[in-house]
Amino acid sequence: KAGVTQTPRYLIKTRGQQVTLSCSPISGHRSVSWYQQTPGQGLQFLFEYFSETQRNKGNFPGRFSGRQFSNSRSEMNVSTLELGDSALYLCASSVAGGYNEQFFGPGTRLTVL
Amino acid sequence: DQQVKQNSPSLSVQEGRISILNCDYTNSMFDYFLWYKKYPAEGPTFLISISSIKDKNEDGRFTVFLNKSAKHLSLHIVPSQPGDSAVYFCAASGGFGNEKLTFGTGTRLTIIP
Repeated sequence: KAGVTQTPRYLIKTRGQQVTLSCSPISGHRSVSWYQQTPGQGLQFLFEYFSETQRNKGNFPGRFSGRQFSNSRSEMNVSTLELGDSALYLCASSVAGGYNEQFFGPGTRLTVL
Repeated sequence: DQQVKQNSPSLSVQEGRISILNCDYTNSMFDYFLWYKKYPAEGPTFLISISSIKDKNEDGRFTVFLNKSAKHLSLHIVPSQPGDSAVYFCAASGGFGNEKLTFGTGTRLTIIP
């Protein structure tokens, strides 16, 4: 069974630009969650999508948005990038959500200059 | 507001000995707890979980203990092996209807050969 894939793996952007990250979950998984990892902050929950609907949301500004398609693939968008958005962005898929085992992708390393 | 805390950023243990990683939480609504392991340049991988109706769960060399009254959980690894060297994250969820996973900041475990 193929694992969770994320594209691109690395990204360099400048302040003010916007970026779209993509996540393909494990086949059959309907829940996709997004996390931001920065040094010293651990993994911060961004949002979770289940069957194309945002089901849970973390405490991030509206510049961070996402969506999920009918095939469960998900995208995350960050608009008006700031230096502090530099982080590793991880997506995870599971059958039904957070209290079930989540399978993580390798992440997208975003650097904002 | 860090609802899940791992107060030891790092831990070194001799190979063959027991590794004990600790985690405290503040939210009494958390119902489900998980441990993840993360190697550099990879996404976290699920290790073991426990629901609030139990106080212990074992899986091979890994045992998780939950003390609900103290809002404390720990992960025991016995015996510790060099391949266990990684960053360990504990995470908590409110269960069905509150699937958001809240992570701690992680503990870097180093196994000394």
